[in-house]
Amino acid sequence: DTGVSQNPRHKITKRGQNVTFRCDPISEHNRLYWYRQTLGQGPEFLTYFQNEAQLEKSRLLSDRFSAERPKGSFSTLEIQRTEQGDSAMYLCASSLGLVGTTYEQYFGPGTRLTVT
Amino acid sequence: RKEVEQDPGPFNVPEGATVAFNCTYSNSASQSFFWYRQDCRKEPKLLMSVYSSGNEDGRFTAQLNRASQYISLLIRDSKLSDSATYLCVVRDTGGFKTIFGAGTRLFVKA
Repeated sequence: DTGVSQNPRHKITKRGQNVTFRCDPISEHNRLYWYRQTLGQGPEFLTYFQNEAQLEKSRLLSDRFSAERPKGSFSTLEIQRTEQGDSAMYLCASSLGLVGTTYEQYFGPGTRLTVT
Repeated sequence: RKEVEQDPGPFNVPEGATVAFNCTYSNSASQSFFWYRQDCRKEPKLLMSVYSSGNEDGRFTAQLNRASQYISLLIRDSKLSDSATYLCVVRDTGGFKTIFGAGTRLFVKA
């Protein structure tokens, strides 16, 4: 499978626990994005990497959230001290970063987080 | 005001109908525009890019009006399989900060 993969697909955790999600982008894609989607809303941009550099963070990404892409390949998104409001689908997408392209983003299947 | 606003849904149409979705965006510096489709509990997938001259892909036609900051999607001869949420997407220069609308839900019934 050459698409974007995310693990785990589902995560149920208790409030106050830390969780970490993983995203494996399409191998030749140098850009990686994280989004959060809640019911009835479109995906909300969280952060963006070009290779291993995190170039943009949304103000939605509070201090409890951190993302890494240590070698410019896979990425992790960690949420510390989870709150019920963190319950959402967390989507990862990747794209080529070539000038002149449409930068089409390919999405993974998402990780559904439920905080109880 | 939201950066990208879409028609509220849902749209319920019979098979064969023509349906149009509208979208407005607030950032005049936005450079790239797209329509994505999202099926229930699935990830979004690119339906089509939107160009200033307008573009068509089979039964789907997209239009962009930069002066009015308005994007549209027209679906002709609706099929049952067109039932999904359609997301209007706006991207800034450089192609990374991407803003999605809340989506418009379409139900096509037999």
